[in-house]
Amino acid sequence: SQTIHQWPATLVQPVGSPLSLECTVEGTSNPNLYWYRQAAGRGLQLLFYSVGIGQISSEVPQNLSASRPQDRQFILSSKKLLLSDSGFYLCAQRGSMNTEAFFGQGTRLTVV
Amino acid sequence: KQEVTQIPAALSVPEGENLVLNCSFTDSAIYNLQWFRQDPGKGLTSLLLIQSSQREQTSGRLNASLDKSSGRSTLYIAASQPGDSATYLCAVTNSGYALNFGKGTSLLVTP
Repeated sequence: SQTIHQWPATLVQPVGSPLSLECTVEGTSNPNLYWYRQAAGRGLQLLFYSVGIGQISSEVPQNLSASRPQDRQFILSSKKLLLSDSGFYLCAQRGSMNTEAFFGQGTRLTVV
Repeated sequence: KQEVTQIPAALSVPEGENLVLNCSFTDSAIYNLQWFRQDPGKGLTSLLLIQSSQREQTSGRLNASLDKSSGRSTLYIAASQPGDSATYLCAVTNSGYALNFGKGTSLLVTP
């Protein structure tokens, strides 16, 4: 079965500090990988997606970046966090656009 | 740009009732539509995936329908239980890779 690991579950970081969130996937090969952010009172916003190693597409200009160093590893980063980066970050994967998407358990990030 | 709307935003029903959640989308050229459930503070759990060529999918007490031409999907929950309380989200996929989400319906089933 397909499993998505996200860590940490919660994170409190000061403004201006760096960020690294990791997502790893098991049980599938060459998945499409996604980073979404869910802010209070708003829907899920797509931040990045990747269709293969080293291939990253960004949906919105922002303070964040993503990398895919291995087939089943997706990393979300920031050099300097802003207050507005606070939110619930979710990693997702699916085999293709025609298949079911699965989400991880998320990371609650609070920037103080 | 695909816009996804879910109505109602919140719903409270007594246990045992059958209920319908609605999802509408503006661009009918979709690949598929997927329904999810989200418990507070948790990730999304996939419930049902409907391909654009399908009209409905069923899983246990859940039935999802799709009318692509009118840009609508419904999620029917039979004999609701308190454990069904959660936020229900629909997401559509168009020609891009993204899942475009609605803001969800928050469901409360009271004993």
